[in-house]
Amino acid sequence: NAGVMQNPRHLVRRRGQEARLRCSPMKGHSHVYWYRQLPEEGLKFMVYLQKENIIDESGMPKERFSAEFPKEGPSILRIQQVVRGDSAAYFCASSPPPSNTEAFFGQGTRLTVV
Amino acid sequence: AQSVTQLDSQVPVFEEAPVELRCNYSSSVSVYLFWYVQYPNQGLQLLLKYLSGSTLVKGINGFEAEFNKSQTSFHLRKPSVHISDTAEYFCAVSENTGFQKLVFGTGTRLLVSP
Repeated sequence: NAGVMQNPRHLVRRRGQEARLRCSPMKGHSHVYWYRQLPEEGLKFMVYLQKENIIDESGMPKERFSAEFPKEGPSILRIQQVVRGDSAAYFCASSPPPSNTEAFFGQGTRLTVV
Repeated sequence: AQSVTQLDSQVPVFEEAPVELRCNYSSSVSVYLFWYVQYPNQGLQLLLKYLSGSTLVKGINGFEAEFNKSQTSFHLRKPSVHISDTAEYFCAVSENTGFQKLVFGTGTRLLVSP
């Protein structure tokens, strides 16, 4: 059973470009969470999604950031018009239905904005 | 809302010595508690979790933690560390209504030297 798969592992974008980060949850997991880790900081919750639904986006910046988890395919975190401050590690986690008490993390995508 | 405080940003220790990494939390509701480890350029791996029951929780790699409700603490301990334990350790909480989202501390860097 493969773990949570994130790609790419490293992504370099110029200011103003778009960044697309992908997350394939573990088999059988229908819940996906995105977290952001800024340099020298802990992880901060961004968004919680189920298939085709955003459940909690209280940690998402109001502009330029969006997330989706379609019926088919991976979850996508999209950052439009990236700025230097978006440089961070973005981690995806997945879990079975909410009664479960553990999330499994991917290895992250390290975004560098130049 | 919950918050997590990890007072020690870095803990240096010699190999085979005991170690304690401190974690305090605040919450207006009952919580689940977690410790994760992050090796350089890797994702997060669950060390242990407290859901209910015995306040002493044993995890992987010889780590254990004790939940103290009156002091709102969940300190991580290991009686004898190895060089390979050098990593970043994160304490986290979530509401105990089923896994929703994690609130992380800022992390403690454990540095084990020979």
